[in-house]
Amino acid sequence: QKEVEQDPGPLSVPEGAIVSLNCTYSNSAFQYFMWYRQYSRKGPELLMYTYSSGNKEDGRFTAQVDKSSKYISLFIRDSQPSDSATYLCAMSEVRNQGGKLIFGQGTELSVKP
Amino acid sequence: GAVVSQHPSWVICKSGTSVKIECRSLDFQATTMFWYRQFPKQSLMLMATSNEGSKATYEQGVEKDKFLINHASLTLSTLTVTSAHPEDSSFYICSAPGGRDEKLFFGSGTQLSVL
Repeated sequence: QKEVEQDPGPLSVPEGAIVSLNCTYSNSAFQYFMWYRQYSRKGPELLMYTYSSGNKEDGRFTAQVDKSSKYISLFIRDSQPSDSATYLCAMSEVRNQGGKLIFGQGTELSVKP
Repeated sequence: GAVVSQHPSWVICKSGTSVKIECRSLDFQATTMFWYRQFPKQSLMLMATSNEGSKATYEQGVEKDKFLINHASLTLSTLTVTSAHPEDSSFYICSAPGGRDEKLFFGSGTQLSVL
């Protein structure tokens, strides 16, 4: 079993839809949770960074962490074609990630005009 | 946010040659940088941790003599793929922790194609 599981997709939605992306994990010691967006042949870009359980909102993006279920989500409201990318969840046990950041496989999202 | 610059963005080379990839932190100092490898439609796999002023730490299964890492200064780390072979073709990405929370910032990646 992988430490972090993420459905690779692809996920295709119409413009304006609400997108839900999810990851599950097995290591209960994870405390820091991140979502990265990666465009094709580019480096990942940090979207959301959360600590422990709870919700965090930033513009059209909302990150949720449920540590009891070992489940994290990223919601994208009013999705746009420019949101088409691969979304990677990542998590670590410590704040200073020290290279021990565990990534999900990534979910490929396509938002159709 | 902090900026990490990676160069070149793509390189094509012949089998047996060596290729050097540079990773620079542009507006902050990084005593530590990380090198990842990513195959198509797969996640990032940590290859090694680059430490300024000391030897790099390699992950299990990564050949240190094949992937030479030099952290020459507080803003520059290089990865040299020595005697590259077609199976080394991949997308290589560097990262460095920056900012108050030491969040991880990534370079734009290097696509290596070995013929």
